[in-house]
Amino acid sequence: DQQVKQNSPSLSVQEGRISILNCDYTNSMFDYFLWYKKYPAEGPTFLISISSIKDKNEDGRFTVFLNKSAKHLSLHIVPSQPGDSAVYFCAAIVQGGSEKLVFGKGTKLTVNP
Amino acid sequence: NAGVMQNPRHLVRRRGQEARLRCSPMKGHSHVYWYRQLPEEGLKFMVYLQKENIIDESGMPKERFSAEFPKEGPSILRIQQVVRGDSAAYFCASSPKGSQPQHFGDGTRLSIL
Repeated sequence: DQQVKQNSPSLSVQEGRISILNCDYTNSMFDYFLWYKKYPAEGPTFLISISSIKDKNEDGRFTVFLNKSAKHLSLHIVPSQPGDSAVYFCAAIVQGGSEKLVFGKGTKLTVNP
Repeated sequence: NAGVMQNPRHLVRRRGQEARLRCSPMKGHSHVYWYRQLPEEGLKFMVYLQKENIIDESGMPKERFSAEFPKEGPSILRIQQVVRGDSAAYFCASSPKGSQPQHFGDGTRLSIL
């Protein structure tokens, strides 16, 4: 039962353009969402998060949008840079519980120079 | 480097042997999480520990797997009588007070011959 889904295994964009990574979830109890970036042979690195009481959170080139009614969130990266090439994982938690992260399978982003 | 430290980075075991994976959390963090990543998959929660306590082990296989986080020293994930299906990357994460975000180590790649 995949509670967090990233339906695009890969995405390729040109440098300078916008990258949009999507994530859907099925568990309506999730109330906090995070995006992690992962390079090969390294651990995931936290990027940005959003609480379910918000619909947008921005940090520099990264913006996360949350649509609770659609159970959908997206990560926008603009402008995209070659160093952004990595696997991006969407994760969700139910706050107040054990805070265990439920991850999607990831989307591999390639930013072409 | 004050990050989450995992060792060894790579571990090779033969079927039937024991594997011990170690995790030292970030300074000031008293909450440790273990996740496992199979090839082409997202990270899957295994266990959540505080010092000397297991808080949530709902993701741990019922047999052969155990975890501890003693008062002194690193957290240990122990796999007894390893089988080929245990081959995976095992990631440890830590946080202060069970809050978000969790910070990850670079993982231990376990290979079973």
